[in-house]
Amino acid sequence: SQQGEEDPQALSIQEGENATMNCSYKTSINNLQWYRQNSGRGLVHLILIRSNEREKHSGRLRVTLDTSKKSSSLLITASRAADTASYFCATGGGSNYKLTFGKGTLLTVNP
Amino acid sequence: DGGITQSPKYLFRKEGQNVTLSCEQNLNHDAMYWYRQDPGQGLRLIYYSQIVNDFQKGDIAEGYSVSREKKESFPLTVTSAQKNPTAFYLCASKVRGDQETQYFGPGTRLLVL
Repeated sequence: SQQGEEDPQALSIQEGENATMNCSYKTSINNLQWYRQNSGRGLVHLILIRSNEREKHSGRLRVTLDTSKKSSSLLITASRAADTASYFCATGGGSNYKLTFGKGTLLTVNP
Repeated sequence: DGGITQSPKYLFRKEGQNVTLSCEQNLNHDAMYWYRQDPGQGLRLIYYSQIVNDFQKGDIAEGYSVSREKKESFPLTVTSAQKNPTAFYLCASKVRGDQETQYFGPGTRLLVL
């Protein structure tokens, strides 16, 4: 079953603009992660936020987590053409170490 | 893609044939995972292994088999029982314990002739 659902499914912006993607999930979580996937490649881990954290930054990335609404957002500031990729949220953790991925948001950054 | 390799990059399967996808990691990770990704979809877990000589079924294990004889290796066999095998297959690994980040290989695209 897919725990996380990203919104929007696709997003197209101009270079220099900010991109915001959202993720909603259904059950309680230990942590939520965001991954990036370039076309035809493996996934790359971007950032992890734990259930007791509300906001986290890494370079141009800002992630927020609202456990009361079971939602998270990923903000990419000052986007670049190289940010073009699919972005997935993943939830999970616990003793079985399993992650559950959403269907992803396809971000296109136009030069 | 870190220290995880997958081979081959493309694999063609004939009807009724079993094929094996390779996944090797040199990260000294205990846990390894196999995912299937269909076009425009997220990742679905096929099998995972937390330790050598042990593995568990994921959400879509039917038609697949795995082995974990060595810490570095977690091969996936797509059997003839898997009627719709065309997909992108991703292998991942992680350190056992609280560290949750998974590291992914570059993937194998399986096509049916």
